[in-house]
Amino acid sequence: EPEVTQTPSHQVTQMGQEVILRCVPISNHLYFYWYRQILGQKVEFLVSFYNNEISEKSEIFDDQFSVERPDGSNFTLKIRSTKLEDSAMYFCASSEMGGSGRITDTQYFGPGTRLTVL
Amino acid sequence: AQSVTQLDSHVSVSEGTPVLLRCNYSSSYSPSLFWYVQHPNKGLQLLLKYTSAATLVKGINGFEAEFKKSETSFHLTKPSAHMSDAAEYFCVVSLSGYALNFGKGTSLLVTP
Repeated sequence: EPEVTQTPSHQVTQMGQEVILRCVPISNHLYFYWYRQILGQKVEFLVSFYNNEISEKSEIFDDQFSVERPDGSNFTLKIRSTKLEDSAMYFCASSEMGGSGRITDTQYFGPGTRLTVL
Repeated sequence: AQSVTQLDSHVSVSEGTPVLLRCNYSSSYSPSLFWYVQHPNKGLQLLLKYTSAATLVKGINGFEAEFKKSETSFHLTKPSAHMSDAAEYFCVVSLSGYALNFGKGTSLLVTP
């Protein structure tokens, strides 16, 4: 069964460093997402991406964050200058379709990348 | 704004007994609702999805959920718990066509 994959599974970085989290969505999916889960808190939406553009983003997704689909298979999340509060589990997701009004297509999640900022 | 409230942060059941995980939603109209499960060190797996086609939704592994508009609820049930059901369960509502809004999660413990 096709699945979303993410690398690395765990990333440790120093505060102020740039990190890139990588995701390979399911191959025929057209919509891509990033979510994060700070330890002990709920999963939060960061951004959605379609047709090489951001379709929606949350307040969390500020100028420090960017997303890119550099080739036909990868989808990346870059954090330019990491802060301690960026430590979290980051989940990538993809869906075949996006949404139409009230109907949201099923999003399939990867296993996550645990980012630790020291 | 659309949101979900999971009424229990922890639920403990004995193996073979029924499971009930409660979720209430807040929405100005009938939303898309989901239940996801997260096993330790694993990703988020979709259990089931409601999109107004039928109020009783059947999912994987024997789980089902009933959408009750009058009670603004979407509780998850299973007739008989199995040890492998022990995990974190998330009730999720769609904010728009894209973003999902997760509840805080319910940790299900299954005892022998």
